Amino acid sequence: GNSVTQMEGPVTLSEEAFLTINCTYTATGYPSLFWYVQYPGEGLQLLLKATKADDKGSNKGFEATYRKETTSFHLEKGSVQVSDSAVYFCALSDREQTGTASKLTFGTGTRLQVTL
Amino acid sequence: DSGVTQTPKHLITATGQRVTLRCSPRSGDLSVYWYQQSLDQGLQFLIQYYNGEERAKGNILERFSAQQFPDLHSELNLSSLELGDSALYFCASSVVGTGANVLTFGAGSRLTVL
Repeated sequence: GNSVTQMEGPVTLSEEAFLTINCTYTATGYPSLFWYVQYPGEGLQLLLKATKADDKGSNKGFEATYRKETTSFHLEKGSVQVSDSAVYFCALSDREQTGTASKLTFGTGTRLQVTL
Repeated sequence: DSGVTQTPKHLITATGQRVTLRCSPRSGDLSVYWYQQSLDQGLQFLIQYYNGEERAKGNILERFSAQQFPDLHSELNLSSLELGDSALYFCASSVVGTGANVLTFGAGSRLTVL
């Protein structure tokens, strides 16, 4: 079945440092890939997505590129802020079937702590 | 506010009891998903409904059941509760027909079983 593997956390960085959170996946077919973020005490929010190979998703300074050859979707940000402290989840979705919508399979999440 | 409404936000109950968690999806969304988030298991997919019908089943225990009603709201019923059922339960909804299946999550219902 489908699976997502994320790097273990927590990741602790100083403000303005470069961030990379690794994500690799196993899936049949051509999944869509996502990064979700969960701030303390809140639900998950979509951060960015990519639907096909070589697509780059980006939002709020975060980027991730869908790499089919390495089955990866690593999350990057050039300069993190304290407000980026949260748990980040990589996820994949099977290609949407006609008339239905497919569930997401999540990685275990990576906690990011950004300090001043 | 994501547009997905979950109630109650917090629930404390005893082992052996039964609870019902409720979810109202975002307006226009036909699919509803339930996830369980616990410290040791991460985010586990439980079940998906689409327009009132069950579409996919994940790691949902037999003591748990769910349904989606004609007005598209959904309920997750948890019975014979055990200590290990303590977790955050998330509901999410999505629109069919989009290019990528974006799930919108509610804020969650935190269940504590004592």
